[in-house]
Amino acid sequence: DSGVTQTPKHLITATGQRVTLRCSPRSGDLSVYWYQQSLDQGLQFLIQYYNGEERAKGNILERFSAQQFPDLHSELNLSSLELGDSALYFCASEKQGYNEQFFGPGTRLTVL
Amino acid sequence: GIQVEQSPPDLILQEGANSTLRCNFSDSVNNLQWFHQNPWGQLINLFYIPSGTKQNGRLSATTVATERYSLLYISSSQTTDSGVYFCAVERNAGNMLTFGGGTRLMVKP
Repeated sequence: DSGVTQTPKHLITATGQRVTLRCSPRSGDLSVYWYQQSLDQGLQFLIQYYNGEERAKGNILERFSAQQFPDLHSELNLSSLELGDSALYFCASEKQGYNEQFFGPGTRLTVL
Repeated sequence: GIQVEQSPPDLILQEGANSTLRCNFSDSVNNLQWFHQNPWGQLINLFYIPSGTKQNGRLSATTVATERYSLLYISSSQTTDSGVYFCAVERNAGNMLTFGGGTRLMVKP
């Protein structure tokens, strides 16, 4: 158990819908990263938050957004879903100064 | 951006055999991690190894930062070692990880 939690584990929805994925980092970790794992693109970085502020953006679509709350949990919002958004979404957290990221169990999103 | 290449892409072993997985990266890095993705999809931290050698049971890893590669050794493989092994690098401290394409390992009983 990495100490990073993600909910839900599985999510099945239809095209055009909107979903929210939730992540709670390890205790004391200020950085939260979101990654997407799809069959054709592999594991790709989406976005990073540090202590409530957006720090870096990767290949994140405009239909996707995220935020980190004062209690440090983070949410990834995916809207106007398309079939190609079906993937495993991971959250990772990192303690400042330690550089090692720990991953949650992931949320498997299926868009039908 | 930085490129990460892993080899071989696929590996089939008989239980008890040893193997070496390789990770090449295109630029200097601040961090390198090895992960095992199990059949349930979980990414499990194996090593945090920006340089040097570490061992954990039957697994060991070596990173030669000056030559931009890392090796993961699996000895006396077991069926539970099956899954995908990923190498990931961090260009600068506190930044995103860039993942390699992975090595898919199958250990047969």
